[in-house]
Amino acid sequence: EADIYQTPRYLVIGTGKKITLECSQTMGHDKMYWYQQDPGMELHLIHYSYGVNSTEKGDLSSESTVSRIRTEHFPLTLESARPSHTSQYLCASSRDRPGGNTIYFGEGSWLTVV
Amino acid sequence: GENVEQHPSTLSVQEGDSAVIKCTYSDSASNYFPWYKQELGKRPQLIIDIRSNVGEKKDQRIAVTLNKTAKHFSLHITETQPEDSAVYFCAARIFGNEKLTFGTGTRLTIIP
Repeated sequence: EADIYQTPRYLVIGTGKKITLECSQTMGHDKMYWYQQDPGMELHLIHYSYGVNSTEKGDLSSESTVSRIRTEHFPLTLESARPSHTSQYLCASSRDRPGGNTIYFGEGSWLTVV
Repeated sequence: GENVEQHPSTLSVQEGDSAVIKCTYSDSASNYFPWYKQELGKRPQLIIDIRSNVGEKKDQRIAVTLNKTAKHFSLHITETQPEDSAVYFCAARIFGNEKLTFGTGTRLTIIP
């Protein structure tokens, strides 16, 4: 089934650890995104990609980095996690439609840094 | 860049009544306006969207209206049911821009 898969779904790690959140989509979409969201709150775009080898920073400044080596894969990395990074991270992808792309979200990765 | 304001932040409605959520946007170049529903602990899901060449769109109990002159758009849910309880987000995108700007969300509670 076409979907956006995120791993891990839940993670508790210690301060200073390096973490990579994985995102893979089988939607056949070119564009991918990472959003950060505190529970029930606004969604903030932190990274996006038009396609392979393309990465751009979003509206919210983030200490994370991303890469796009394969169309279907868009991992997000935190080199040194801090408690302020505790949040939900939502991966998303979109397909082109006349008049605007439709964005679909993955189930999210809940990160807690202690 | 685009700025989207959403009101109200919380809304309680008796089951069977209608609910209306309103958003305003700042950039007149915006041409795509989706609405997402996010149930507790789940991912945001697209429920309806509208493009700037259309003034209204309906899908069963859900409708969205767009007023380009006033730069606002609204979500209307009729005959509300308990499963409509969720957080709803509006969003807007400027033509040619890949980024969606989201509103701050409305927590809708349907009272049985």
